[in-house]
Amino acid sequence: DSGVTQTPKHLITATGQRVTLRCSPRSGDLSVYWYQQSLDQGLQFLIQYYNGEERAKGNILERFSAQQFPDLHSELNLSSLELGDSALYFCASSSRTGTIYFGEGSWLTVV
Amino acid sequence: GEDVEQSLFLSVREGDSSVINCTYTDSSSTYLYWYKQEPGAGLQLLTYIFSNMDMKQDQRLTVLLNKKDKHLSLRIADTQTGDSAIYFCAESMKTSYDKVIFGPGTSLSVIP
Repeated sequence: DSGVTQTPKHLITATGQRVTLRCSPRSGDLSVYWYQQSLDQGLQFLIQYYNGEERAKGNILERFSAQQFPDLHSELNLSSLELGDSALYFCASSSRTGTIYFGEGSWLTVV
Repeated sequence: GEDVEQSLFLSVREGDSSVINCTYTDSSSTYLYWYKQEPGAGLQLLTYIFSNMDMKQDQRLTVLLNKKDKHLSLRIADTQTGDSAIYFCAESMKTSYDKVIFGPGTSLSVIP
């Protein structure tokens, strides 16, 4: 158990819909990262937050957004979903030492 | 540029040693990581090495770092069928934030 909690574990939704994925980082970790893993794209970095502020942006689509709340949990919002958004979405957190721990992921299937 | 490369597949016999290789491009890396992903599961941190170290051993795992060649390897001794998974190499850099770059992953198949 990495200490990073993600919900839901599995989600099936229709095209055009919007979903929210939730992440609770390890206790004390201020940084939260979101990654997307798909068969054809591999592991793609989406976005990073540090103590509530956006720190880095990767290959995140404009239809996607994220935020980190004062209690340090984070949410990834995916809207106007397309079939190609079907993927495994990982949240990770890191402490000041920089070691990054991943959650189990949220499987999103868009039908 | 920033890039981490790995061979995509490796097949070994049970009981043999596995060596998974990785090359990276950024010499300012601070940490280098190995993650393991079993089918249907998340990424599990296996081990990591500081960039000022050459080697780290942890039970069946040995990590070797050649900074000159920017080459990282993971050796798994006495490979078992339970070691079958995808292994990701990653490097992190201290900029204004912790930036982590992952390789594409090496799929290790262990033949009984």
